[in-house]
Amino acid sequence: AQSVTQLGSHVSVSEGALVLLRCNYSSSVPPYLFWYVQYPNQGLQLLLKYTTGATLVKGINGFEAEFKKSETSFHLTKPSAHMSDAAEYFCAVTLDTGGFKTIFGAGTRLFVKA
Amino acid sequence: GAGVSQTPSNKVTEKGKYVELRCDPISGHTALYWYRQSLGQGPEFLIYFQGTGAADDSGLPNDRFFAVRPEGSVSTLKIQRTERGDSAVYLCASSSGQSVYGYTFGSGTRLTVV
Repeated sequence: AQSVTQLGSHVSVSEGALVLLRCNYSSSVPPYLFWYVQYPNQGLQLLLKYTTGATLVKGINGFEAEFKKSETSFHLTKPSAHMSDAAEYFCAVTLDTGGFKTIFGAGTRLFVKA
Repeated sequence: GAGVSQTPSNKVTEKGKYVELRCDPISGHTALYWYRQSLGQGPEFLIYFQGTGAADDSGLPNDRFFAVRPEGSVSTLKIQRTERGDSAVYLCASSSGQSVYGYTFGSGTRLTVV
């Protein structure tokens, strides 16, 4: 069965510092991988996705993630944090078997300090 | 419409009552999903519609939960004999095809059962 583990329910960085949010998945077949962001009192917004092809994917707001099959990881990074990045981030996985069900991680809340 | 619309945004109901939550997806999106998000957790899959039919309802927790999409557009999630444990944010999402493309989420309905 597929599952998603996000390491760290809370991450705090200083403004301008590197953001690294960790995600590991388990899947018996090649997965499709996603990161979603949820700002306070808003719905989830798709940040980026990996389906096939290049393993380094770029998303909105300067975020990127790299699919590493050997490590079953899909960590999210941003070189320089901005105050507006403070939000909750969810890693998600779906399988290439009709793709009708996506499994989400528990989320990581990002705090950005001035 | 421009986005996924969910109504009401907040619903407070008494234990044992019946509630209906509405989702209006993006026009033309054939796939519609319901998820439930409890405090501190990621979204949990409930049910998926492709057109008018429920393609996968394996996430519905019990027979008190039911969802319909009679004309392949608007969907209603129905909860009978509500319990305090049903309190959560109910999220609706739609996509133009399989979830490999990622979802567009609504802002959710926060259900509180007192």
